[in-house]
Amino acid sequence: EDKVVQSPLSLVVHEGDTVTLNCSYEVTNFRSLLWYKQEKKAPTFLFMLTSSGIEKKSGRLSSILDKKELSSILNITATQTGDSAIYLCAVLINTNAGKSTFGDGTTLTVKP
Amino acid sequence: GAVVSQHPSWVICKSGTSVKIECRSLDFQATTMFWYRQFPKKSLMLMATSNEGSKATYEQGVEKDKFLINHASLTLSTLTVTSAHPEDSSFYICSARDWGSLRPGELFFGEGSRLTVL
Repeated sequence: EDKVVQSPLSLVVHEGDTVTLNCSYEVTNFRSLLWYKQEKKAPTFLFMLTSSGIEKKSGRLSSILDKKELSSILNITATQTGDSAIYLCAVLINTNAGKSTFGDGTTLTVKP
Repeated sequence: GAVVSQHPSWVICKSGTSVKIECRSLDFQATTMFWYRQFPKKSLMLMATSNEGSKATYEQGVEKDKFLINHASLTLSTLTVTSAHPEDSSFYICSARDWGSLRPGELFFGEGSRLTVL
């Protein structure tokens, strides 16, 4: 059975802190790993990672995939209250339907 | 990017009634759409994969007769919660992939539908 595990499940930090969110996976037929941010409604896309060792960056957020360790990290530097959200990690399986398995999410709270 | 529209965004119904939720891909065709259920402060739980022109594929533990899925066209999938009960109250969200996009694996999500069964 495909499995995606995120840690920690929840995290409380203060503005300006740096956080690292973890995602590990055990799946058959891995295609890509995706990170999403969910605030109130629909998750919004952050990163898609397919190749190992290549860091993707977007402002204060960055992510990297380690296919040997079957894991990925999402870093957020200089956190702001607007970063408070659930961060979801999903692994896309290489099938016709393109099914994704989601982790349980990390709930990040950034206090002023 | 691609747009997925979900309607209604919230609905309140009486126990025993049925509720239909629509998911539309607005600017792309989706042969496959996914329906999720999300409990408060929890992740997305895949309920079923909706396949255009054929039967949906349900995840283990999801009642097919309870959650009817129809994917009649390349841009529309519907989820009908039949004979709803209070325990069906939840946030339901759909998604689809635009395989023709710059990031073919990216899931585009609808805005979600919050169902409250009284």
